[in-house]
Amino acid sequence: EIVMTQSPVTLSVSPGERPTLSCRASQSVSSGLAWYQEKPGQAPRLLIYGASTRATGIPARFSGSGSGTEFTLTIDSLQSEDFAVYYCHQYNYWPHSFGQGTKLEIK
Amino acid sequence: QIQLVQSGPEVKKPGTSVRVSCKTSGFTFTRSVMQWVRQARGQRLEWIGWMVVDNGDTNYAQGFRERVTLNRDTSTSTVHMELSSLRSDDTAVYYCASDGGRGYYMWGQGTLVTVSS
Repeated sequence: EIVMTQSPVTLSVSPGERPTLSCRASQSVSSGLAWYQEKPGQAPRLLIYGASTRATGIPARFSGSGSGTEFTLTIDSLQSEDFAVYYCHQYNYWPHSFGQGTKLEIK
Repeated sequence: QIQLVQSGPEVKKPGTSVRVSCKTSGFTFTRSVMQWVRQARGQRLEWIGWMVVDNGDTNYAQGFRERVTLNRDTSTSTVHMELSSLRSDDTAVYYCASDGGRGYYMWGQGTLVTVSS
């Protein structure tokens, strides 16, 4: 099984800042990588797939990059509604696997 | 509008079974692949299995293979997950999600299953 490791576990940022979240795969997953946003009491929401393609309706301030084993999610000019937990997910190999999440909290 | 609406919370005793339903709408159900994932409190998301709705093919994560069954009802566009021989560590929120081959593009609202004696 491919192990996905996210860093940092918690990131304290202020609105307007530009946080970068990292995700590492234990072996190459090519571009089979997605990012999700999860808020309390809500289901995860797909943000990015194919490592860098925004899902339908996702604001342009969210961007993804990387391939192979190293991936990043960047949020330009953080908005108040962006404080949430973010998960990466590799879907290139079975079993699919998820990172442990990065919690973006208000500084 | 794509929607996945799951059944309500369940409280079960150890050793029993639970069935969680996921009713879909807004897309062609019979052309879909449906995933099931769970998340225990404070833990990462854990993949359980998938079903190709068209032909009913399934694939389960190794840790669930002996205890989980996915099936579907095409007349109501609903998929079901049944998990047997429940243990306390099966306590989690269970999600269904539709898989477009590029991530899980829509998720159900989640169903809390609590296993307690």
